[in-house]
Amino acid sequence: EAGVTQFPSHSVIEKGQTVTLRCDPISGHDNLYWYRRVMGKEIKFLLHFVKESKQDESGMPNNRFLAERTGGTYSTLKVQPAELEDSGVYFCASTTGNTDTQYFGPGTRLTVL
Amino acid sequence: GENVEQHPSTLSVQEGDSAVIKCTYSDSASNYFPWYKQELGKGPQLIIDIRSNVGEKKDQRIAVTLNKTAKHFSLHITETQPEDSAVYFCAASKGGYQKVTFGTGTKLQVIP
Repeated sequence: EAGVTQFPSHSVIEKGQTVTLRCDPISGHDNLYWYRRVMGKEIKFLLHFVKESKQDESGMPNNRFLAERTGGTYSTLKVQPAELEDSGVYFCASTTGNTDTQYFGPGTRLTVL
Repeated sequence: GENVEQHPSTLSVQEGDSAVIKCTYSDSASNYFPWYKQELGKGPQLIIDIRSNVGEKKDQRIAVTLNKTAKHFSLHITETQPEDSAVYFCAASKGGYQKVTFGTGTKLQVIP
């Protein structure tokens, strides 16, 4: 069974540019989460999808971040325009919802210059 | 909201010794406590978890303890090996599909 995959693995952009991160959850996992780790601090929750619906977006930092999950399969996280403080590692996780265990992808390292 | 504190931030042990990482949480409604191991270039991987109706759980060289009254939980690794070197995160959740709140991580180095 394939795990959670994320693309790209690294992204380096200039301040003010737009970046889109993609996450493909484990097949059949209705629940998809985005987290990020900034500057070696704790991994913080951003938002949670159940299928294509946003269940909890309380962790989204501001309206420069837009997450979508059209069709309830893969998800994208767009940052527009990117700021320096957006640099960090963005993780995606998924779960069936019948278990507590969240399976994490390898992350996308975003660097905003 | 939930706040999880984790100590120490770095830990160096000799191969074969034990390592202990301690965490506290603030929300008494949390009932699920996973521990994740993150190796370089990889995402966090679940290594063990414990639920609030259990005080201790063991899986080979890894054990977790939970003191629900004090809101403390700990990870114990015995007979450490170089491949145990990684960053370890404790976390808390209200279970089910609820979000997970992480601690700040402990970088464990096992010296051969």
